[in-house]
Amino acid sequence: DGGITQSPKYLFRKEGQNVTLSCEQNLNHDAMYWYRQDPGQGLRLIYYSQIVNDFQKGDIAEGYSVSREKKESFPLTVTSAQKNPTAFYLCASSIGTSGRGTQYFGPGTRLLVL
Amino acid sequence: AQSVTQLDSQVPVFEEAPVELRCNYSSSVSVYLFWYVQYPNQGLQLLLKYLSGSTLVESINGFEAEFNKSQTSFHLRKPSVHISDTAEYFCAVSPSGGSYIPTFGRGTSLIVHP
Repeated sequence: DGGITQSPKYLFRKEGQNVTLSCEQNLNHDAMYWYRQDPGQGLRLIYYSQIVNDFQKGDIAEGYSVSREKKESFPLTVTSAQKNPTAFYLCASSIGTSGRGTQYFGPGTRLLVL
Repeated sequence: AQSVTQLDSQVPVFEEAPVELRCNYSSSVSVYLFWYVQYPNQGLQLLLKYLSGSTLVESINGFEAEFNKSQTSFHLRKPSVHISDTAEYFCAVSPSGGSYIPTFGRGTSLIVHP
């Protein structure tokens, strides 16, 4: 079955530590996205990528970094510069770069700070 | 730029009652409109979308939404809800040209009581 996988389901971060969230898709989609979800705030865009080796900052990119070395993979690193990382992180993809396209979401990773 | 307002953060309703979840948007260009549903601790799934044509769109599980251009609204309705409809519902808009990145509302929590 085609879809998006995210791992791990839960992730714990210690102070000063960088952690990386995995996102893989086998839908052959060009565009991939990372969102942060906090209660009552909806989804906020962190980074997005239209093609391999290219990505753009979203609304809340500070304290995060990404890479897009393969079409299928778009990992997100939460750096120690992100002072309030506790949230639910969602990865998504879409078939192209038209606004008509449906976004397909992974199951999410919940990041907690120890 | 566009914005989305979901007027109700929480909508409690009894099983088999009708429900309406409200969504209003603002945009300087034409938009595509989406409703996504999120069950607890999961990613979002597309419920229905309006791209063009008939202003009334339906989902396979009995939800419908009507695009009203003059009122810039895309309210979601269901004539009779089930316990299993309990979830978070997100309205989203994408511009029909230029930047394809969607903007999400803050979500409405639908709580169906027996």
